[in-house]
Amino acid sequence: AQSVTQLGSHVSVSEGALVLLRCNYSSSVPPYLFWYVQYPNQGLQLLLKYTSAATLVKGINGFEAEFKKSETSFHLTKPSAHMSDAAEYFCAVCAGNMLTFGGGTRLMVKP
Amino acid sequence: EADIYQTPRYLVIGTGKKITLECSQTMGHDKMYWYQQDPGMELHLIHYSYGVNSTEKGDLSSESTVSRIRTEHFPLTLESARPSHTSQYLCASSDHGGTNEKLFFGSGTQLSVL
Repeated sequence: AQSVTQLGSHVSVSEGALVLLRCNYSSSVPPYLFWYVQYPNQGLQLLLKYTSAATLVKGINGFEAEFKKSETSFHLTKPSAHMSDAAEYFCAVCAGNMLTFGGGTRLMVKP
Repeated sequence: EADIYQTPRYLVIGTGKKITLECSQTMGHDKMYWYQQDPGMELHLIHYSYGVNSTEKGDLSSESTVSRIRTEHFPLTLESARPSHTSQYLCASSDHGGTNEKLFFGSGTQLSVL
């Protein structure tokens, strides 16, 4: 069985500031890890995914995430937040062909 | 562009009513899923299908049922809605599994049972 924990259901940053969204997971088998984003009134879309290649994964819109096995973490970062980044972000783990999602983190960007 | 549609977007209904949540995709995907999400909680898989006439229950027990008579259509039915069924229901589809999987999600149905 696997699980995903996203620390902080709401994160607020100023425009131009660093974005850090935290994700920790547990899995009995080597996992594949994903970050999904849900913009208001839209479906979830894939930001990036880790598939056991490079531990630093770059995604769309300037986001990246680093897989740290020793910490069982897959935190999402972006050097400089934009207003358009305001959305709900979901971390997910895929093991045995099924996805398990975290509870989501709402990112708010202040002008 | 993802083409997966869920209707209705919002549904408020009384206890005991029968409801069907619709989900359709035009991408020809074999795999379809229903997830349930309560606020601040993990998304939980309640049903999935790997093709026509194939349906399975997911990790979270649900009183709902599903059918897959056509590839593009995966409706979810509650025979008698109860307040405990109040939640958001997300439909998804994909054409591959494992590392190559890319899930496409609908916008969800927010169900409120009074």
